[in-house]
Parts: sequence; structure tokens; C-alpha cells
Amino acid sequence: GAVVSQHPSRVICKSGTSVKIECRSLDFQATTMFWYRQFPKQSLMLMATSNEGSKATYEQGVEKDKFLINHASLTLSTLTVTSAHPEDSSFYICSASDSYTQYFGPGTRLTVL
Amino acid sequence: QQQVKQSPQSLIVQKGGISIINCAYENTAFDYFPWYQQFPGKGPALLIAIRPDVSEKKEGRFTISFNKSAKQFSLHIMDSQPGDSATYFCAASKSGNTPLVFGKGTRLSVIA
Repeated sequence: GAVVSQHPSRVICKSGTSVKIECRSLDFQATTMFWYRQFPKQSLMLMATSNEGSKATYEQGVEKDKFLINHASLTLSTLTVTSAHPEDSSFYICSASDSYTQYFGPGTRLTVL
Repeated sequence: QQQVKQSPQSLIVQKGGISIINCAYENTAFDYFPWYQQFPGKGPALLIAIRPDVSEKKEGRFTISFNKSAKQFSLHIMDSQPGDSATYFCAASKSGNTPLVFGKGTRLSVIA
């Protein structure tokens, strides 16, 4: 099956710093990538949809200036959490679509101290 | 408004038994219905998916049953094993390129 990677898998940062998370589709070109957030024992919450070369579409309530998304190529999307605060601590998961199926990355655990 | 309702929230099944998880959707424009399996600390893994042109799809021990008129679909895990213990999410979307709407998840525990 198709493989999606995320880096880093875990990150701990100080409050006020920025953190970048990379999402890569390793063996296919992803026309669309999605970013989700998941709190413990809860379902996935869509944050934004990103298409290569265009601006991301953010879900209602998600601050686009805080969660910067860049989809520079058909295999790479990045999520930057700017000026992170403890309430941003969560499990961030990306998915990549080959136009037919969505494949998820392994997730990134962000802890903001 | 929750567009995909999943039940039960948790499920305990004896080893060798059948695990059944149900989902109902509201948006008739949905045409892609995947199930994902998630272990703690890991991303969701695609288990099996179905489109509305078939009523059932089987892959190994996993079967999706789909009822278009009732707007319901379910996952059956035959011969459930302790290694199947995980959280299962149903989802729906209009196509592979549109965001998935997830159910709230079912925590399955298979006990020996």
C-alpha cells in the first residue's frame, strides 16, 4: 500500500517557539493533503485541506496565521505551528490522497511546555 | 451536527467471536466509506473501504456491509483476535480528494 511519512514523530518545545511538521507521500504523488488534529481518546478533527501550489483551505475555528500550511510539491506538505502554547499540545496527523484513497501518516506528538 | 454516527463507543468480544461496528451517515453525496484501525500513538491505517455500487466487500476476516437506502454501513471482524484490539473509525467522503468525515470511534477489546 501507499506510504505516508511524518517528521518528526515527537517534538517537545518551549512556549512561544515555532514547530514545523513535514508530511511526505513516499511512493505516490498526492494531489491533495489533509491535516488533522487528535486529542486523547477522541476522533480526528480536520484542520485544513491543501492542494499543491495553492493556498490551504482551513476549517472553521482553525487559525490560519497560527497553523501555517505549505504544499510545495506533490509529495510534501508542511504544517508550522507558530508561537506554540501548551494548548496546542496534541497529536497531529496528515493524510495524502492519490485522488481515490486517503492514506495517513504515523502522526506527530507535539508537547508544548 | 455530526454527519457520521458510530456505535458502539466501546466493545468487548471474546477471542474467536465476531465484532460488529455500525455507522450511519446523513449526506447522500457521500460515495466513499473507509474504515480505519488505530493503535495507541499511531496514525490510522486503512483497513477496508467500500463505494455505494456494492453492498458488501470482504477482505480476509474483515467485511463491510453497506445499505444505501438506510444510509448505514458496518464493519464485521470475523474470528476476532487479541491483536485486533484497537480503536476503529468509520469515515465518509464525497471522493478520495475531499476531506473525510469521521465517526467518533469504537474501542475494541478482544479478550482471550
